Amino acid sequence: DAGVIQSPRHEVTEMGQEVTLRCKPISGHDYLFWYRQTMMRGLELLIYFNNNVPIDDSGMPEDRFSAKMPNASFSTLKIQPSEPRDSAVYFCASSTRADTQYFGPGTRLTVL
Amino acid sequence: QKEVEQNSGPLSVPEGAIASLNCTYSDRVSQSFFWYRQYSGKSPELIMSIYSNGDKEDGRFTAQLNKASQYVSLLIRDSQPSDSATYLCAVLGGGKLIFGQGTELSVKP
Repeated sequence: DAGVIQSPRHEVTEMGQEVTLRCKPISGHDYLFWYRQTMMRGLELLIYFNNNVPIDDSGMPEDRFSAKMPNASFSTLKIQPSEPRDSAVYFCASSTRADTQYFGPGTRLTVL
Repeated sequence: QKEVEQNSGPLSVPEGAIASLNCTYSDRVSQSFFWYRQYSGKSPELIMSIYSNGDKEDGRFTAQLNKASQYVSLLIRDSQPSDSATYLCAVLGGGKLIFGQGTELSVKP
């Protein structure tokens, strides 16, 4: 299996621009998670889906963040407009149960 | 109080020694506990899960759980330089994993 696939791996953008991060979960996994990791705050859950339906988005920092999962093999996390404090590594993870999660390689986002 | 707490380290041990990583959690009803390893610049990787009080061994790794004390630990025997990484403790609560800040482990040759 190819594992969880994320793109892009690195993104550098300017403040105010729209950023879209993409994730392809492992085939057959019906849970998908988006996390953000920073030195200050560690690994934080932003949102998770079960069978393409958002279950808990309480970790989404504000309305500038949105996530979609139009089908079982694709999800996006969008930030509009982006701000420097959004700079972090964003991970996507998938699983067949909520606990045993497999992480993608991450997207390193830098907002200038 | 943070939901999952770990000493940030760094914890430095000599090669061949036992490394002991500790974690406490606040939610008494939690039933599932996990240890993830994260190498610098890489993504977290699940290495151990434990659900019952006591010890669970997998090769050089032993996870220990004490629900009464709300404490979970990870022992790494015969530590190798390749074990140098950040170890994240995670607790399943409210249907989602809650991660500690992680403990950085450095194994010196």
